[in-house]
Amino acid sequence: EIVMTQSPATLSVSPGERATLSCRASQSVSSNLAWYQQKPGQAPRLLIYGASTRATGIPARFSGSGSGTEFTLTISSLQSEDFAVYYCQQYNNWYTFGQGTKLEIK
Amino acid sequence: QVQLQQWGAGLLKPSETLSLTCAVYGESLGGYYWNWIRQPPGKGLEWIGEINHSGSIDYNPSLKSRVTISVDMSRNQFSLNLSSVTAADTAVYYCAKGFATLDPWGQGTLVTVSS
Repeated sequence: EIVMTQSPATLSVSPGERATLSCRASQSVSSNLAWYQQKPGQAPRLLIYGASTRATGIPARFSGSGSGTEFTLTISSLQSEDFAVYYCQQYNNWYTFGQGTKLEIK
Repeated sequence: QVQLQQWGAGLLKPSETLSLTCAVYGESLGGYYWNWIRQPPGKGLEWIGEINHSGSIDYNPSLKSRVTISVDMSRNQFSLNLSSVTAADTAVYYCAKGFATLDPWGQGTLVTVSS
């Protein structure tokens, strides 16, 4: 099983600032990496797939990068609606998720 | 625009079988993959398995011995059965469309296992 490790567990950032979230795979997943956003009481929503391609309707302030074992999700200028939990997911070998990064208001 | 709506029993006793159904609206089941994922309270996401319209199925190896996913093309629905549940199976269960990436998701169903 490919283990996905996200850091940090919690990230405190002020609105308008940039947030950088990390995800590491225990072995290479190529670019088979997605990012999801989950708000309290809601289902996750797909943000990024193929490590760097935004899903339909996702604002340009969300960007993804990386390949192999190291990945980053960047939110360029945080809006109030962006404070949530973010998960990475690999789909190179079955599907496994990271444990999540909670993005909270500083 | 495809929408997924799910339902099933929310409270089970240990050793019982969990049964959930997910109805797909706005799109035919044919030609796509359909998944089940779960999330224990306050924890992360675990993929359970997937099925496509032709019956091709893959399960998470850690749950494979207890999981059955099936599809009903006539009703445009797919279902999850998880046998011999324990407290460790308490979670919000989601259905979702997709092969590799999962989008969109159903609203989630909280299933609690308690004696």
